[in-house]
Amino acid sequence: EAGVAQSPRYKIIEKRQSVAFWCNPISGHATLYWYQQILGQGPKLLIQFQNNGVVDDSQLPKDRFSAERLKGVDSTLKIQPAKLEDSAVYLCASSPPRSYRETQYFGPGTRLLVL
Amino acid sequence: ELKVEQNPLFLSMQEGKNYTIYCNYSTTSDRLYWYRQDPGKSLESLFVLLSNGAVKQEGRLMASLDTKARLSTLHITAAVHDLSATYFCAVDPAGTASKLTFGTGTRLQVTL
Repeated sequence: EAGVAQSPRYKIIEKRQSVAFWCNPISGHATLYWYQQILGQGPKLLIQFQNNGVVDDSQLPKDRFSAERLKGVDSTLKIQPAKLEDSAVYLCASSPPRSYRETQYFGPGTRLLVL
Repeated sequence: ELKVEQNPLFLSMQEGKNYTIYCNYSTTSDRLYWYRQDPGKSLESLFVLLSNGAVKQEGRLMASLDTKARLSTLHITAAVHDLSATYFCAVDPAGTASKLTFGTGTRLQVTL
């Protein structure tokens, strides 16, 4: 079974530029998550999708971050404009339907450096 | 606000020794997860603990959950170098396996 795919793996941009990350979850996984992991910290949930609807985006900085999951499969996370403090690893995770006994499966992450 | 604290934050131990990592959390939760993260890599699921008193073991690692004390432990038996990584616990107070709050992480270094 293929895992969660993310691209790009690395991105370096200057502050005030925009950037987008892509995630393809495990086939059949209805729930998709985006996390932000700052160096030395645990991941922090940014947004959760159930199919193509948003379940929780309470910790998403909506003035600069946006995310979508068209057709309930792939998802993109965008930052516009980026700030220095957005430097982090952005992790995508997915979990299967009726997943109350399941864990979340994480992708390899996109490492973002904002200069 | 839910707080999840791990200690120690950094642990250096010799091969063959035993040690325990602690995960304390501030709100009621019957579910807790342990993940492992190697440098530059993503998170790998280790254990899913679904009820009070749950105990799971895999190789040299054993995890337990005491929901009354709001405490989970990850015990390492006879450590080997391959266990060197950062270990995270994550709490799921809603019980839906969705909105996880992660701890600060414990960086484990096993020396020869």
